[in-house]
Amino acid sequence: NAGVTQTPKFQVLKTGQSMTLQCAQDMNHEYMSWYRQDPGMGLRLIHYSVGAGITDQGEVPNGYNVSRSTTEDFPLRLLSAAPSQTSVYFCASRRTGSGANVLTFGAGSRLTVL
Amino acid sequence: AQSVTQPDIHITVSEGASLELRCNYSYGATPYLFWYVQSPGQGLQLLLKYFSGDTLVQGIKGFEAEFKRSQSSFNLRKPSVHWSDAAEYFCAVGDTGGFKTIFGAGTRLFVKA
Repeated sequence: NAGVTQTPKFQVLKTGQSMTLQCAQDMNHEYMSWYRQDPGMGLRLIHYSVGAGITDQGEVPNGYNVSRSTTEDFPLRLLSAAPSQTSVYFCASRRTGSGANVLTFGAGSRLTVL
Repeated sequence: AQSVTQPDIHITVSEGASLELRCNYSYGATPYLFWYVQSPGQGLQLLLKYFSGDTLVQGIKGFEAEFKRSQSSFNLRKPSVHWSDAAEYFCAVGDTGGFKTIFGAGTRLFVKA
């Protein structure tokens, strides 16, 4: 069982470039989410989805787009990268229905924007 | 909206000493509370969670946490720290609607021999 798989693990972009961080899970979890981790700020929620076709904003959504066409996949798109988006990004999933359900995290994707 | 405060950015303890990491939360209803641990270069792993019942919860690796509603706290404890416990620890609160899990800024634990 692979759990939550994120690709790529590392990426360097130039300001203004676009890219997509991929996230896939094989646990049939309805809920998926993206966080960014920055020193001294912990993990901040970017976007989340409670099922295919349903997405919503988290704490820091600006500069990021998401879509959810299948239960398994939840890609995060940066349309025009900025240095402020240099961070480590984590995808996480869980069963929906209750906030008590535990998140399963991917290994993270480290993004540097020059 | 819920929020989480971890007042200590980093803590250093001696191996074998006891540990307490502090966490305060803000949420209008009974919260779902979690502690996660992150080893260097890794994702996050659940240590324990509270959502109802006994206010003292046991987790993996010998950790426990106590929910105190009157203090809006959910402090993590371990009676005897091992060198392998050196990591970053995150407290988190989940809303009852099941939409958002919000994390604190984290506390980095250093263990000295």
